[in-house]
Amino acid sequence: RKEVEQDPGPFNVPEGATVAFNCTYSNSASQSFFWYRQDCRKEPKLLMSVYSSGNEDGRFTAQLNRASQYISLLIRDSKLSDSATYLCVVNIYYGGSQGNLIFGKGTKLSVKP
Amino acid sequence: GAGVSQSPSNKVTEKGKDVELRCDPISGHTALYWYRQSLGQGLEFLIYFQGNSAPDKSGLPSDRFSAERTGGSVSTLTIQRTQQEDSAVYLCASSLDRGVNTEAFFGQGTRLTVV
Repeated sequence: RKEVEQDPGPFNVPEGATVAFNCTYSNSASQSFFWYRQDCRKEPKLLMSVYSSGNEDGRFTAQLNRASQYISLLIRDSKLSDSATYLCVVNIYYGGSQGNLIFGKGTKLSVKP
Repeated sequence: GAGVSQSPSNKVTEKGKDVELRCDPISGHTALYWYRQSLGQGLEFLIYFQGNSAPDKSGLPSDRFSAERTGGSVSTLTIQRTQQEDSAVYLCASSLDRGVNTEAFFGQGTRLTVV
């Protein structure tokens, strides 16, 4: 089983739609979680961190379910500019200051007019 | 600089040649990661440096790949005897590693083409 798994998509949605992505992780030592966004031929950029209680940033909501080992990203009122690949990222924490960031393969979103 | 800086931004090399890719992390960041991304694919972990600890080299695909980090700052990824399958974008990231909630910031990458 891969450490971090995502549905590769593509998700093709109309403007204004609500879309949700899920991501599962296999390592129970995972301590922190992030969603990154990657535009075509660009480097990944942090979209938001995911905290235990879940968190919201404008149209974006991230949730964490530790018991089931998955995180989700909800995008409301989709914009054309949301079209990108969304990467799920898990920090495997080994203790002290040791950790590693494991990236999922990404979910591609295409928002159509 | 304010962000992670990588050089060169593009590199075309002949099969069999050695290449060196450079990463200059954000000042004060103790963690440094190298990933590579082939066209249309996800990020493949290569190597991770954390402070003065021994690096995690578990992602290096072969002994032709090596990396070092001098003085806990600049890192160089070296690929010896390059092969066509080494063609990819090589991405470097750094983070202020406090063990948890470590947000990584990426450079713009080096696009390597082996001909």
